[in-house]
Amino acid sequence: DAGVIQSPRHEVTEMGQEVTLRCKPISGHDYLFWYRQTMMRGLELLIYFNNNVPIDDSGMPEDRFSAKMPNASFSTLKIQPSEPRDSAVYFCASRTSGRADEQFFGPGTRLTVL
Amino acid sequence: DQQVKQNSPSLSVQEGRISILNCDYTNSMFDYFLWYKKYPAEGPTFLISISSIKDKNEDGRFTVFLNKSAKHLSLHIVPSQPGDSAVYFCAAETGANNLFFGTGTRLTVIP
Repeated sequence: DAGVIQSPRHEVTEMGQEVTLRCKPISGHDYLFWYRQTMMRGLELLIYFNNNVPIDDSGMPEDRFSAKMPNASFSTLKIQPSEPRDSAVYFCASRTSGRADEQFFGPGTRLTVL
Repeated sequence: DQQVKQNSPSLSVQEGRISILNCDYTNSMFDYFLWYKKYPAEGPTFLISISSIKDKNEDGRFTVFLNKSAKHLSLHIVPSQPGDSAVYFCAAETGANNLFFGTGTRLTVIP
């Protein structure tokens, strides 16, 4: 298995532009998580899905952020409009139920908003 | 509010010596704890875990200790090797399939 796949790996955009991050989880995993890594807050959970259904989006910072999982093999995290304070590394992770030690992370997308 | 805290942002240790990374938590409902290791430009990878019914778990050079009364866990690496240089994240969950992470500690092992 190729592991969790994220694209793009790096994204540089200007303030006000729309940004879409993509994730392909490991086949067979029924949980998908989006995290944001910053120096101040470490790894923050933004939202997670179970069987393609959003379960908890309380970590989404504001309405500018949205996430979708149209099927078991694809998810997107969209920021519109983007702001400089959104600059961070965004990770996607997937796992099966009850197996926290088998939660696998993707390589991350480094987002820079100018 | 951070439910999992790593108060030391960085740690430097000589090769061959012991590295001790610390983590504190506030939520008494956490029943499973994990350590993840992260290299630059990569995602975090699972290292070792411990259930709340145990106070110690060992895997090779890595040992995790849990003190439930103090809401504290630590990761010991003995002996430390240069390849252990990375950022280490402490994480905890309540069984709701949702991990809470700390802010990370950057370990540097000096050859």
